[in-house]
Amino acid sequence: EPEVTQTPSHQVTQMGQEVILRCVPISNHLYFYWYRQILGQKVEFLVSFYNNEISEKSEIFDDQFSVERPDGSNFTLKIRSTKLEDSAMYFCASRRRTGGGDEQFFGPGTRLTVL
Amino acid sequence: AQRVTQPEKLLSVFKGAPVELKCNYSYSGSPELFWYVQYSRQRLQLLLRHISRESIKGFTADLNKGETSFHLKKPFAQEEDSAMYYCALEELGNEKLTFGTGTRLTIIP
Repeated sequence: EPEVTQTPSHQVTQMGQEVILRCVPISNHLYFYWYRQILGQKVEFLVSFYNNEISEKSEIFDDQFSVERPDGSNFTLKIRSTKLEDSAMYFCASRRRTGGGDEQFFGPGTRLTVL
Repeated sequence: AQRVTQPEKLLSVFKGAPVELKCNYSYSGSPELFWYVQYSRQRLQLLLRHISRESIKGFTADLNKGETSFHLKKPFAQEEDSAMYYCALEELGNEKLTFGTGTRLTIIP
């Protein structure tokens, strides 16, 4: 069964450095998402992406964050200048279509640690 | 703004006993509601959705619009049910999932 994959599984970086988190969504899916979960807190929506543009973003997703789909398979989340509070688990998700209770499929997550 | 509340962070139940994981939501429109499960060291995966009204692994959940609840139930708990359970809401016409804080269910053998 196809799965969403994410790399790396764990990323450690220094405060102020740029990081890129990578995701490969399921191949026939059209809608892509990033969520994050700070330790001990709920899973929070960051951004949704469809047809090569952002369709919605949360207030967390400020100018330090960007997403792109550079080659038609990878879906990346870039944090330009990491802060300590960016330490979290980042989940990528994808789905075929919206509405009708269609399922979002999640990746295993990337644990980002900012020192 | 929509909100999902799972009042229990931790729940321990004996094997064979009934399980109920509570979920309440606040949303003015018609929501789509989901239960996601995360087993140890595994990814979030969909357990069930209210729109399909199905039973998965013996679990059921009924949307009660009057009480704005979507509680997850299973009549007889099994050890393999131990996991983290998240209730999630999706607004009609929107795409993002709003999650509750999750309930860690532990089944005592």
